[in-house]
Amino acid sequence: GEDVEQSLFLSVREGDSSVINCTYTDSSSTYLYWYKQEPGAGLQLLTYIFSNMDMKQDQRLTVLLNKKDKHLSLRIADTQTGDSAIYFCAESIPGGSYIPTFGRGTSLIVHP
Amino acid sequence: KAGVTQTPRYLIKTRGQQVTLSCSPISGHRSVSWYQQTPGQGLQFLFEYFSETQRNKGNFPGRFSGRQFSNSRSEMNVSTLELGDSALYLCASSKRDRSENTEAFFGQGTRLTVV
Repeated sequence: GEDVEQSLFLSVREGDSSVINCTYTDSSSTYLYWYKQEPGAGLQLLTYIFSNMDMKQDQRLTVLLNKKDKHLSLRIADTQTGDSAIYFCAESIPGGSYIPTFGRGTSLIVHP
Repeated sequence: KAGVTQTPRYLIKTRGQQVTLSCSPISGHRSVSWYQQTPGQGLQFLFEYFSETQRNKGNFPGRFSGRQFSNSRSEMNVSTLELGDSALYLCASSKRDRSENTEAFFGQGTRLTVV
């Protein structure tokens, strides 16, 4: 079955890079997502990657995938206080329901 | 265009009562999914509706039910509320006409507190 794990907290200084890590268990070809949840808000899709890709970059965001180790990371360059939020890793399997399975979320705290 | 709208935003109920939450998807979106978010369990999938039919279901007891109307609006109902049902209930809509990967857009959620 699917299982997604991520660390619960990350604290960084403003201007530094943040790296949020995630591991997943399903070895089938899969879509992997990063969502952001700000206080009092729903989830916002930041980016996604298909498992035949190694890397995807979008402005300050870089997603790296190590398929062998089933490890996914989200790097945020030049982290700002507005990046403080909970970040969720999720996966879904093509050909199945496509309903994503979420990790428990990593709370990113950015301090001056 | 308007986003996903969930009502009410906050709700306080007593154990044993029932509750109905509402979700209006983005115009043109026919798939509506519901999730329960708690600090201990994270985001748990409840069910997905498409064209008024439940298409997928998570691992929740029968006290949790839902439905979808012809205009794609969806409601979920929880009967015989328990303290552990206190959570943020999130609704997501997408265009998912077939089982394929399309982006899901989330509402702000309904914060349910059971006392």
